[in-house]
Amino acid sequence: DAGVIQSPRHEVTEMGQEVTLRCKPISGHDYLFWYRQTMMRGLELLIYFNNNVPIDDSGMPEDRFSAKMPNASFSTLKIQPSEPRDSAVYFCASSLSLLADYNEQFFGPGTRLTVL
Amino acid sequence: QKEVEQNSGPLSVPEGAIASLNCTYSDRGSQSFFWYRQYSGKSPELIMSIYSNGDKEDGRFTAQLNKASQYVSLLIRDSQPSDSATYLCARHNAGNMLTFGGGTRLMVKP
Repeated sequence: DAGVIQSPRHEVTEMGQEVTLRCKPISGHDYLFWYRQTMMRGLELLIYFNNNVPIDDSGMPEDRFSAKMPNASFSTLKIQPSEPRDSAVYFCASSLSLLADYNEQFFGPGTRLTVL
Repeated sequence: QKEVEQNSGPLSVPEGAIASLNCTYSDRGSQSFFWYRQYSGKSPELIMSIYSNGDKEDGRFTAQLNKASQYVSLLIRDSQPSDSATYLCARHNAGNMLTFGGGTRLMVKP
């Protein structure tokens, strides 16, 4: 398996522009997570989906952020309009939902976003 | 108080020594904990999980959990330069969610 795939790997944009980050989870995984990582705040969960349905979006910082999962193999995280404080590495992760206390989350390579 | 706290480091140890990484948490109801390793510029990867009080060993790694004192630790024996990375402690929440600490940067010097 190719693992979790994210695109683009790097994005540089100007303040006010719309940014769309993309994620393809591991085939067969039915949990998908979006994280943001910065030096100041560490790794934060933004939103997660189970079977394509958003379950918890309490980590989404504000209305400028939105996420969708139209099918089991694709998710997007959109920022509109973008601001310099959105600069961070955005990770997507996926996991199975087996009958276990916890199922390992596998992380994608991340998208490094720079908003000028 | 953050839910999961770690000393940011860097923690510097000589090659072959034992590296000890610590993590404290605030929620007494927390049951399961995980250690992720993150190399610079890379994504986190799971290296250890621990669910009950005591020690759990896996090769050169030992995870320790003390629920009464609310701390988790990771010991790395015979540290190698390839162990140099940031180590993230995470607490399991409901619904397969994780809350991460800020991470401790480990440097193993040859």
